[in-house]
Amino acid sequence: SAVISQKPSRDICQRGTSLTIQCQVDSQVTMMFWYRQQPGQSLTLIATANQGSEATYESGFVIDKFPISRPNLTFSTLTVSNMSPEDSSIYLCSVSGPLTGKLFFGSGTQLSVL
Amino acid sequence: KNQVEQSPQSLIILEGKNCTLQCNYTVSPFSNLRWYKQDTGRGPVSLTIMTFSENTKSNGRYTATLDADTKQSSLHITASQLSDSASYICVVSARNTDKLIFGTGTRLQVFP
Repeated sequence: SAVISQKPSRDICQRGTSLTIQCQVDSQVTMMFWYRQQPGQSLTLIATANQGSEATYESGFVIDKFPISRPNLTFSTLTVSNMSPEDSSIYLCSVSGPLTGKLFFGSGTQLSVL
Repeated sequence: KNQVEQSPQSLIILEGKNCTLQCNYTVSPFSNLRWYKQDTGRGPVSLTIMTFSENTKSNGRYTATLDADTKQSSLHITASQLSDSASYICVVSARNTDKLIFGTGTRLQVFP
């Protein structure tokens, strides 16, 4: 299994500001995933964070809005830039177990934008 | 279009009772199906992963079934406990893309 530490666990931010979410894994992993879970909705993949290369973004998500860093095999950050109330959501990082393919999730960041 | 639908949206049961959650999918070609439990304010935690050839898989009081012909899965919870109160999410993986398609979940509340 993988233990994922994600912070902050929650934050309340003003419109127009940016928030950086950190994700630390207790083992080296090739890919880390960032998801968004809007109220009452299913998880939506934002991007896949690859170590040593640019993140791969899903349709509807762009690097300018959600810049991602992946400096090493155990750490990644997601920044939510120029926030608006529509960005209020839970943001989750995730990694895939190497042998089982099982997904492990961080505890999530509850973001509220005023 | 690849979709995962879950029912019911929400469910209330009394402690000690059994319940069954449903998941229908249209994902093709199918790779695997997962059930996750998500406590309020927490990230999802894996309960089971089932591949095409598996019909039933248990994890304690949780038993998942899969019918790949009808593209249906169920999660049966036996002798429910208050700690079972959570959202249960069905996730299907497509073989050609390895993309995960998430259902919207069933919100289960167990009352004493």
